[in-house]
Amino acid sequence: DGGITQSPKYLFRKEGQNVTLSCEQNLNHDAMYWYRQDPGQGLRLIYYSQIVNDFQKGDIAEGYSVSREKKESFPLTVTSAQKNPTAFYLCASSMAPDRVNQPQHFGDGTRLSIL
Amino acid sequence: GQQLNQSPQSMFIQEGEDVSMNCTSSSIFNTWLWYKQDPGEGPVLLIALYKAGELTSNGRLTAQFGITRKDSFLNISASIPSDVGIYFCAGRNAGGTSYGKLTFGQGTILTVHP
Repeated sequence: DGGITQSPKYLFRKEGQNVTLSCEQNLNHDAMYWYRQDPGQGLRLIYYSQIVNDFQKGDIAEGYSVSREKKESFPLTVTSAQKNPTAFYLCASSMAPDRVNQPQHFGDGTRLSIL
Repeated sequence: GQQLNQSPQSMFIQEGEDVSMNCTSSSIFNTWLWYKQDPGEGPVLLIALYKAGELTSNGRLTAQFGITRKDSFLNISASIPSDVGIYFCAGRNAGGTSYGKLTFGQGTILTVHP
């Protein structure tokens, strides 16, 4: 089945530790996105990538880093600089964003907690 | 930044009732999307709207793209228990540096009592 796979489902981080969240898609989508979701709030954009080897900061990029070495993969690293990392992280993808009528489709998320 | 106000924040209804929720924006959007999120899962696309004034249905769901391009509403008719979840609106600009980026509303939490 085509889709977006996020792993792990649950992740725990120790103080001062970097952790990496995986996002893989087999939809042949060009664009990929990372969002953070906190209780009672909408999704906030962390980083996005329109093509391989290129990515841009979203609204809350501080304390996060990404890479886009392959079209199907867009891992997110939550660094120790992110002081409040506990949240639900969602990855999404879509066809090339210049094709306006292309909605984003989401994975099932990774819940990150602090130990 | 762009602001999307979604209301109501939460709704408690009886099974069989109709539901209405809406989003308003401070900016003009070229696309409106409505998603539903079940607990512990990612949002699933319900309806996509691409033209001002467009009215689109998906089963018991109906959504409209406002004429001003600054608002959208979602109606659910004859609600059932599986309609429970969080509903999000999202708007997108087509150009400039915001290419492809979505702005999300805060969500409407829907509870349906049998």
